[in-house]
Amino acid sequence: DIQMTQSPSSLSASVGDRVTITCRASQSISSYLNWYQQKPGKAPKVLIYAAPSLQSGVPSRFSGSGSGTDFTLTISSVQPEDIATYYCQQSYSIPWTFGQGTKVEIK
Amino acid sequence: QVQLQESGPGLVKPSETLSLTCTVSGGSISSNYWSWIRQPPGKGLEWIGFIYYSGSTNYNPSLKSRVTISVDTSKDQFSLKLSSVTAADTAVYYCATTRTVGSKIYFDYWGQGTLVTVSS
Repeated sequence: DIQMTQSPSSLSASVGDRVTITCRASQSISSYLNWYQQKPGKAPKVLIYAAPSLQSGVPSRFSGSGSGTDFTLTISSVQPEDIATYYCQQSYSIPWTFGQGTKVEIK
Repeated sequence: QVQLQESGPGLVKPSETLSLTCTVSGGSISSNYWSWIRQPPGKGLEWIGFIYYSGSTNYNPSLKSRVTISVDTSKDQFSLKLSSVTAADTAVYYCATTRTVGSKIYFDYWGQGTLVTVSS
């Protein structure tokens, strides 16, 4: 299985800060990398697919980059509504696997 | 817009079979792939498997011996059966559309999730 490792596990940022979350795959996955946002008690929502494609309706402050083994999700100016846990997920090979999540809090 | 709704028992006894159904509305099940994903309380996400409307399936090898996913196109539903459950199978179970863009795959629409607890 391809292991997905995210860092940090959690972070606290002020409104307006630039936030970067990193995801590393245990082997090359080309650009078969997706990012999801999960708010408490809710289902995940796709933000970025086939990094770096932005899902329709997702604010442009979210962006994704990377290929191979190293990927980043950036929130250019974090907003209060961005409080959530963010997961990366690879679709390069089955079983499709997720990172352990990064919890974003607002100071 | 496609909507998905999971349904099934919220409590299952150890060693028994967990059975859930996902009903699709706002779109036809006769397109796309359809997945089941679960999330133990306070933990991360685990992909269980997917089914194509034609009935072809692919499962997570860690669960493959216990999982069956089926589809009923006449009812726009697909289902999950997980046998011989233990407390480790306690989780929120989600169904999701599995969108393909070329060879790239992602989960775009999700159900609200249903908590299944395994306990006697």
